Amino acid sequence: GEDVEQSLFLSVREGDSSVINCTYTDSSSTYLYWYKQEPGAGLQLLTYIFSNMDMKQDQRLTVLLNKKDKHLSLRIADTQTGDSAIYFCARGPTFGRGTSLIVHP
Amino acid sequence: DAGVTQSPTHLIKTRGQQVTLRCSPKSGHDTVSWYQQALGQGPQFIFQYYEEEERQRGNFPDRFSGHQFPNYSSELNVNALLLGDSALYLCASSSVLGGFSGYTFGSGTRLTVV
Repeated sequence: GEDVEQSLFLSVREGDSSVINCTYTDSSSTYLYWYKQEPGAGLQLLTYIFSNMDMKQDQRLTVLLNKKDKHLSLRIADTQTGDSAIYFCARGPTFGRGTSLIVHP
Repeated sequence: DAGVTQSPTHLIKTRGQQVTLRCSPKSGHDTVSWYQQALGQGPQFIFQYYEEEERQRGNFPDRFSGHQFPNYSSELNVNALLLGDSALYLCASSSVLGGFSGYTFGSGTRLTVV
């Protein structure tokens, strides 16, 4: 099976919070990442967290890491239509398949 | 300050041919990683170069090879192209010596094998 797994789709209403989840199997990497990819564009690093941290907040973004359950989440507060994109979770160099976030009015 | 630059942006090759893709890292970065992203999939790690040597490698055959030059730029070579090699090839740069600040990705090279 894949090292990093994500649900494929998430649909939210504009202004609501979005929570994108990710699970991983290998704990060896020090860093876990969230990337954003808009259509036709490369990947943009949104944030990363060290494996010795539980939480990291950066403006509208909150990352939670549950090391026991090997679960990583990205919360986007006050989601906007411009947040519509594919979000990738990565453990070291290994990426998940991406979660397509659709924000509707 | 230029980010990661990849060339060419698009490429069409015939099955069995060889291809070379190029990447210039972000200024101040010394490490280059290459990824293959098939349609609808996440990027798959090919390999990483630092100090002109391959440091890590993903699950890709020997047909995929690379090189890093003294100015930190890098090339990805793929021999004996297969139809399944059609994908977006992404280059990402980062810094070891300058302290880790995350990976910066280029916009990629779209390779189509016919």
